[in-house]
Amino acid sequence: DAKTTQPTSMDCAEGRAANLPCNHSTISGNEYVYWYRQIHSQGPQYIIHGLKNNETNEMASLIITEDRKSSTLILPHATLRDTAVYYCIVRVANTGNQFYFGTGTSLTVIP
Amino acid sequence: EAGVTQSPTHLIKTRGQQATLRCSPISGHTSVYWYQQALGLGLQFLLWYDEGEERNRGNFPPRFSGRQFPNYSSELNVNALELEDSALYLCASSLGTFNTEAFFGQGTRLTVV
Repeated sequence: DAKTTQPTSMDCAEGRAANLPCNHSTISGNEYVYWYRQIHSQGPQYIIHGLKNNETNEMASLIITEDRKSSTLILPHATLRDTAVYYCIVRVANTGNQFYFGTGTSLTVIP
Repeated sequence: EAGVTQSPTHLIKTRGQQATLRCSPISGHTSVYWYQQALGLGLQFLLWYDEGEERNRGNFPPRFSGRQFPNYSSELNVNALELEDSALYLCASSLGTFNTEAFFGQGTRLTVV
């Protein structure tokens, strides 16, 4: 079962930063936070993951609060191609290592 | 480097038949995951294979089964197909260690008529 809570939908203006929040208040100390996105029923695309430090790669930044109960995915300059469903996932160690996907946030980038 | 490949892309079967879906993981990846995504719904975990063994399965009936071969490729078998089995079936692969990302294929669209 998913251990995360995300808003159902969000809009973002093209060129602006998209900030997608995620709550994971029951996260355990050894569980990582992963972000994926899915565009138009294609296979989900890996974005980024982290444990407790902020992470950045060529796609996005991940900000994890100090208590690790929430995180924010930041797309610094959203484009129309970033319109997708974004999934925040906590990888649960004691249930077989698989990824449990919740309902995600449907992000719409507006021209 | 090739990503995760799935075949076939589309599959149409009649109710009661069997379907076989195939997945080739990224080279070097030993773990394979299968997910079902019905139209308009989220991804539901089906099966996880690692090093040739089934490590965990989701809440699906036994007619959903699979296996992983010595080269780490995998196949998903769905027996006695029902109309509600119509969905996008996604395969992902990862290194066998805990804290690594999984990469997904583009899926097999199964339609049961």
